[in-house]
Amino acid sequence: EAQVTQNPRYLITVTGKKLTVTCSQNMNHEYMSWYRQDPGLGLRQIYYSMNVEVTDKGDVPEGYKVSRKEKRNFPLILESPSPNQTSLYFCASSPGWGGGQPQHFGDGTRLSIL
Amino acid sequence: GIQVEQSPPDLILQEGANSTLRCNFSDSVNNLQWFHQNPWGQLINLFYIPSGTKQNGRLSATTVATERYSLLYISSSQTTDSGVYFCAVHAGNNRKLIWGLGTSLAVNP
Repeated sequence: EAQVTQNPRYLITVTGKKLTVTCSQNMNHEYMSWYRQDPGLGLRQIYYSMNVEVTDKGDVPEGYKVSRKEKRNFPLILESPSPNQTSLYFCASSPGWGGGQPQHFGDGTRLSIL
Repeated sequence: GIQVEQSPPDLILQEGANSTLRCNFSDSVNNLQWFHQNPWGQLINLFYIPSGTKQNGRLSATTVATERYSLLYISSSQTTDSGVYFCAVHAGNNRKLIWGLGTSLAVNP
């Protein structure tokens, strides 16, 4: 089954404790992206990747890191999480970027930073 | 940058009723997608529809790109249709989807 898999689905942690949210897709997609969703602000892009070893900042990259060492994986790293990073996070992928490329989303990860 | 506006922001229906959700965008778009976010937070891809009309069961969508709007039509609504419906577009050289703030739908039995 074609899917985007995020882990964990839920996490409660404390300020300053490094964490990684994994994202994996099995569709051989080139493009992957991370969004965060906050009430009243909608979904905002954090980082995206056009292909292996190619990543770039989105609208709200501060406090986050990503890597793209393999095509299927695009982890989101919070080196020193803070309470303002409490949010619902989504990973997405698509075959490429441009016209005719619908995006597929993971089920989301709820992060609570205390 | 491009603006995406959805209306109405909130909608309450009785089961069995029909509804139309609207998405207006301020510039030409390459892509447009409709999503349903269920009460568990999952984003379900409903339609990829940069132009034209598509139907999937009780749902259908129409995008009139020249007039910069898209409509999502829900017929014979069910309680499982409850949640938030989002419209998201891609425009220009942006490497991201630009999202509306959604329409929150509650279908009562």
